[in-house]
Amino acid sequence: DAGVIQSPRHEVTEMGQEVTLRCKPISGHNSLFWYRQTMMRGLELLIYFNNNVPIDDSGMPEDRFSAKMPNASFSTLKIQPSEPRDSAVYFCASSLSSGNTGELFFGEGSRLTVL
Amino acid sequence: AQKVTQAQTEISVVEKEDVTLDCVYETRDTTYYLFWYKQPPSGELVFLIRRNSFDEQNEISGRYSWNFQKSTSSFNFTITASQVVDSAVYFCALSEWGNYQLIWGAGTKLIIKP
Repeated sequence: DAGVIQSPRHEVTEMGQEVTLRCKPISGHNSLFWYRQTMMRGLELLIYFNNNVPIDDSGMPEDRFSAKMPNASFSTLKIQPSEPRDSAVYFCASSLSSGNTGELFFGEGSRLTVL
Repeated sequence: AQKVTQAQTEISVVEKEDVTLDCVYETRDTTYYLFWYKQPPSGELVFLIRRNSFDEQNEISGRYSWNFQKSTSSFNFTITASQVVDSAVYFCALSEWGNYQLIWGAGTKLIIKP
């Protein structure tokens, strides 16, 4: 079975450019999470979707960040305009559980470098 | 307040040694879940175990074992006869009942030398 699929795996861009990260969750999973991982701050939850609806976006750093989940099999995280401090690994994770946290299945991550 | 502390930033052992990774948590809830995840050098996070607060039995899975002690608010992870492939960063995490949020520890980097 395919796991969580993220693209691109690596992205290098210049400050001010728009960045779009993509995620395909595991089929049948109804919860989707976007995380950011940095050395300084560790793993941070950016946004949580349940049944394609954003439930909690309080972790989104600022208005430059936006996320969508137009259907059960696709989600995007967009940064516009990007800044060097956005450099991090961005993970998408999906889960069968909603409400109570179950096992999270993570993608391989998208490593973003903003110059 | 919820908190997870992994005091060991990095551990280095020689292959075949046993190693224990410590995890101490704080929560006011009586119902909660504890987790361990592994992040190998390839980068993805892999679920290892979930334990609920009502189940204090130790868990063993092959060379891996987990010791949950509510009295000390600890959920420690032991690898027996470590192997080079066990080299990774290991994260302990906590969530409270009805809460999708995972509170993550800072992680322990485990290096197994051949």
